[in-house]
Amino acid sequence: KNQVEQSPQSLIILEGKNCTLQCNYTVSPFSNLRWYKQDTGRGPVSLTIMTFSENTKSNGRYTATLDADTKQSSLHITASQLSDSASYICVVSATSGTYKYIFGTGTRLKVLA
Amino acid sequence: ETGVTQTPRHLVMGMTNKKSLKCEQHLGHNAMYWYKQSAKKPLELMFVYNFKEQTENNSVPSRFSPECPNSSHLFLHLHTLQPEDSALYLCASSLEFQGRGEKLFFGSGTQLSVL
Repeated sequence: KNQVEQSPQSLIILEGKNCTLQCNYTVSPFSNLRWYKQDTGRGPVSLTIMTFSENTKSNGRYTATLDADTKQSSLHITASQLSDSASYICVVSATSGTYKYIFGTGTRLKVLA
Repeated sequence: ETGVTQTPRHLVMGMTNKKSLKCEQHLGHNAMYWYKQSAKKPLELMFVYNFKEQTENNSVPSRFSPECPNSSHLFLHLHTLQPEDSALYLCASSLEFQGRGEKLFFGSGTQLSVL
């Protein structure tokens, strides 16, 4: 069964600290993996995409990694800011006849001053 | 702004009411989606339209009725809803139909409460 699991469910950190969010998936055949950021009261917005051949990709203070062998991805946030407070959703695309998006439940991050 | 606009932002309705959610995109995308987001659950795909044609109905109860008059507009008509239908309803679009896992552009959603 295609599944995406994220950990932790929620996380509280102090402003300026780093944190890492995890995404494990059992999706096959794999197409790509995206991280979305969802602010409270808003829809998700794509942060980055990882394809099978990519190991690391950065978008400002966000760095995503992908290990296709272990089927794990992480999103590392450096020098966190109050505006990073949001839910982060991992979405894996599967190619099985037609492409499908499989969503994780998200990690809710709270950054405190 | 993502280019996808949803109205209303908030909606409270009784179980016997009829209401509609509206979604509009100005991105020139060909595919539009309705998703349901409930607390602590992954986004649930409800309907997919590709070039105005419904291509997927994910076993959604008939009290939810989608309409796609053109590639830029999508509606979700609601009637005789149940309290468990209370959730955030998100509209999204993509250039191609779920094509190669490309980026979804989401609206801000309609927070629906059914009393």
